[in-house]
Amino acid sequence: LAKTTQPISMDSYEGQEVNITCSHNNIATNDYITWYQQFPSQGPRFIIQGYKTKVTNEVASLFIPADRKSSTLSLPRVSLSDTAVYYCLVGDLNNDMRFGAGTRLTVKP
Amino acid sequence: ETGVTQTPRHLVMGMTNKKSLKCEQHLGHNAMYWYKQSAKKPLELMFVYNFKEQTENNSVPSRFSPECPNSSHLFLHLHTLQPEDSALYLCASSSDGISNQPQHFGDGTRLSIL
Repeated sequence: LAKTTQPISMDSYEGQEVNITCSHNNIATNDYITWYQQFPSQGPRFIIQGYKTKVTNEVASLFIPADRKSSTLSLPRVSLSDTAVYYCLVGDLNNDMRFGAGTRLTVKP
Repeated sequence: ETGVTQTPRHLVMGMTNKKSLKCEQHLGHNAMYWYKQSAKKPLELMFVYNFKEQTENNSVPSRFSPECPNSSHLFLHLHTLQPEDSALYLCASSSDGISNQPQHFGDGTRLSIL
């Protein structure tokens, strides 16, 4: 199982772009990178998933360098409601994906 | 609305009680999961069901007993629990358990053991 490493916490201000980097040095050829967001007393919510290069959707972008040993979740112009824990998961099967401690993002006014 | 509904949202029980947690998904998925989230700890995968068959049990104590009667419903039967079992129990589903399709989570049952 590929292990991931993320910063434990990050602070930002409203309107700023936030980049959260995840390290996964042992990523395997078939592994995908998936990010989830979790608010207190709620289940995690899927944000974005990618395999290589760049993926963008309506809420975030995911940047993956050529060696795929890390990935960066980019949240454009964050608001107070983006305060949450963000998890990076790596794996090729849902059965093998494990949640780590995540990154606690605090957005300040 | 995530398409995954868990009941009850809150449960308080004594160590000698027997209770059940229920999860229902309306997404047409074929894989369902139980997770435990204790305070300040990562989510721990407990059980996985693919097409109603249990495919994973992560060394969960026998006082937790899962049941998956069909692909839309998942239960977690509880008996003789310990105080350290107090946690948020999350159910999730995905299209199947053998791909990387995202998991959809319910909002959990907050369980407190007296």
